[in-house]
Amino acid sequence: DAGVTQSPTHLIKTRGQQVTLRCSPKSGHDTVSWYQQALGQGPQFIFQYYEEEERQRGNFPDRFSGHQFPNYSSELNVNALLLGDSALYLCASSLRSPSYNEQFFGPGTRLTVL
Amino acid sequence: DAKTTQPNSMESNEEEPVHLPCNHSTISGTDYIHWYRQLPSQGPEYVIHGLTSNVNNRMASLAIAEDRKSSTLILHRATLRDAAVYYCILRHTGTASKLTFGTGTRLQVTL
Repeated sequence: DAGVTQSPTHLIKTRGQQVTLRCSPKSGHDTVSWYQQALGQGPQFIFQYYEEEERQRGNFPDRFSGHQFPNYSSELNVNALLLGDSALYLCASSLRSPSYNEQFFGPGTRLTVL
Repeated sequence: DAKTTQPNSMESNEEEPVHLPCNHSTISGTDYIHWYRQLPSQGPEYVIHGLTSNVNNRMASLAIAEDRKSSTLILHRATLRDAAVYYCILRHTGTASKLTFGTGTRLQVTL
């Protein structure tokens, strides 16, 4: 059973460009969350998708947007990249059920903005 | 979100027990205490969670104070593979709500 997978592994962009990151959740999971982790910091919650809709959002500008597909996979889009967007972007999957407590994280996509 | 406080770093010798503390004095009655850890170059992984009673699983034990204002993650025999950043997180019960990470405790394990 494959866990959470993310692509690409690494990405280099320049300021002002746009980027799309992809995530496939663990088999059977229906909820996907995205996190941004700057160097030396803990991950920061960006948003969460369930039933193809954004359900929760952290304190991130609307340059950050996402999408969830019918097969539960998800994309994170960032427009007008800034140097400060350089970070590790993590995807986590889980079940929406209230009794389910664990989130499974992927290995992340390392984004470098020059 | 209720806040947690953890030491920045701790050291342990291999095969000795490790007690990682966490203070959460503003915890609410509906907050679960979760622990995740992040090994180098990997995403975080779930370790354990609890509400009021102490919990054990194959990875660790979680000891929760009677007033729930603090908790301790216990690794019974640390190995080199346990070197990681350990995050103590309060999570509201119910649906798959977000995780609010702090800066965690960096655990070093030496021979």
